[in-house]
Amino acid sequence: GENVEQHPSTLSVQEGDSAVIKCTYSDSASNYFPWYKQELGKRPQLIIDIRSNVGEKKDQRIAVTLNKTAKHFSLHITETQPEDSAVYFCAASLDTGTASKLTFGTGTRLQVTL
Amino acid sequence: NAGVTQTPKFRILKIGQSMTLQCAQDMNHNYMYWYRQDPGMGLKLIYYSVGAGITDKGEVPNGYNVSRSTTEDFPLRLELAAPSQTSVYFCASSYPGGFGTGELFFGEGSRLTVL
Repeated sequence: GENVEQHPSTLSVQEGDSAVIKCTYSDSASNYFPWYKQELGKRPQLIIDIRSNVGEKKDQRIAVTLNKTAKHFSLHITETQPEDSAVYFCAASLDTGTASKLTFGTGTRLQVTL
Repeated sequence: NAGVTQTPKFRILKIGQSMTLQCAQDMNHNYMYWYRQDPGMGLKLIYYSVGAGITDKGEVPNGYNVSRSTTEDFPLRLELAAPSQTSVYFCASSYPGGFGTGELFFGEGSRLTVL
């Protein structure tokens, strides 16, 4: 089955700096790569996703890049703000148009300091 | 819409006891899931369902059972609780068929402790 590795496990940046979180996946058939944000004590929520037919996707201060050859994808957050502090999870799956059987990474705890 | 609703939010069980975690969604989603989240381990899929009457195992199904008698409800049953089942459990749902967004909508979670 799919295996997703995520690094780093913790990341501390100063407000205004950029943050990068990296993930690798094992199954070359995977074609859907979402990122979820989980604030302390809250439910995970989708912040951005990318499909294998696209190399990069941006949404305001966040962007995701995908390298299918190397089987890795990354989350980039620019101009970080205190409200970006949370745990971020990457995930991968083979999206066949039915159930989203995602395999999640182990998470990155991002701390944005003032 | 309330979205995905889970009950209870917290529960302490003794080893060997059984219980059911309830999950309901009002978004008319065909697909529903149960995940468990252990510290530092991400989310692991326990069971999922693609529609009423259809369930299938995920990555970590041992010790659990599910049923899906209606589109709205997807309860998770723990039989003979063990300390290894101490975790936070999340129910989720996603859009119906076709090549949809795949986004998972999570409930607020249920924190279970087995002592």
